[in-house]
Amino acid sequence: DTEVTQTPKHLVMGMTNKKSLKCEQHMGHRAMYWYKQKAKKPPELMFVYSYEKLSINESVPSRFSPECPNSSLLNLHLHALQPEDSALYLCASSQGTAYTDTQYFGPGTRLTVL
Amino acid sequence: SQQGEEDPQALSIQEGENATMNCSYKTSINNLQWYRQNSGRGLVHLILIRSNEREKHSGRLRVTLDTSKKSSSLLITASRAADTASYFCATDAYAGGTSYGKLTFGQGTILTVHP
Repeated sequence: DTEVTQTPKHLVMGMTNKKSLKCEQHMGHRAMYWYKQKAKKPPELMFVYSYEKLSINESVPSRFSPECPNSSLLNLHLHALQPEDSALYLCASSQGTAYTDTQYFGPGTRLTVL
Repeated sequence: SQQGEEDPQALSIQEGENATMNCSYKTSINNLQWYRQNSGRGLVHLILIRSNEREKHSGRLRVTLDTSKKSSSLLITASRAADTASYFCATDAYAGGTSYGKLTFGQGTILTVHP
């Protein structure tokens, strides 16, 4: 199984809502990533988890809260978002972080903040 | 500043033609990767070339890496309409014997292949 799954595919939320994005992989990968991608732009790294511990936080606002409950699951909790947070949120995983391996991406969650 | 810059920003060709995209970067790297993204979807890994390699092939793809010029190129031969997508190079910054452990993506090239 070489698939990274993400749910939901689409999410519309108001600025006062709390929602969560979910990502799952069953490839035994020990590194997982959240990226944000605006239209016609490259993905921008948000967070990296390595062996279930947060290893990189790219100065992301606290209204985004990542969580890695186990080695297969990665969540991104959203609270009090702004309209400019509307974007495609991509999850990825890779085998390890000794050096930067190939990353396997999920299909993304299209988030719209009203 | 952006680690990877790509050109051209957009490329439009006919089926059967070759497509060449270029990527330049600024710092030392462990490896350089190329990814494809179909409109609004996740990225698909195409090829990884390590800093001690100069050329790599995979099917219709050919990637070159020139670490002295800090540049790479992706050549897609005999293109097909299904190759229409955005193509990104991605590099991992590396300093003092340690990778920073993250990829930085270039701005991307939008390739359109007309049937």
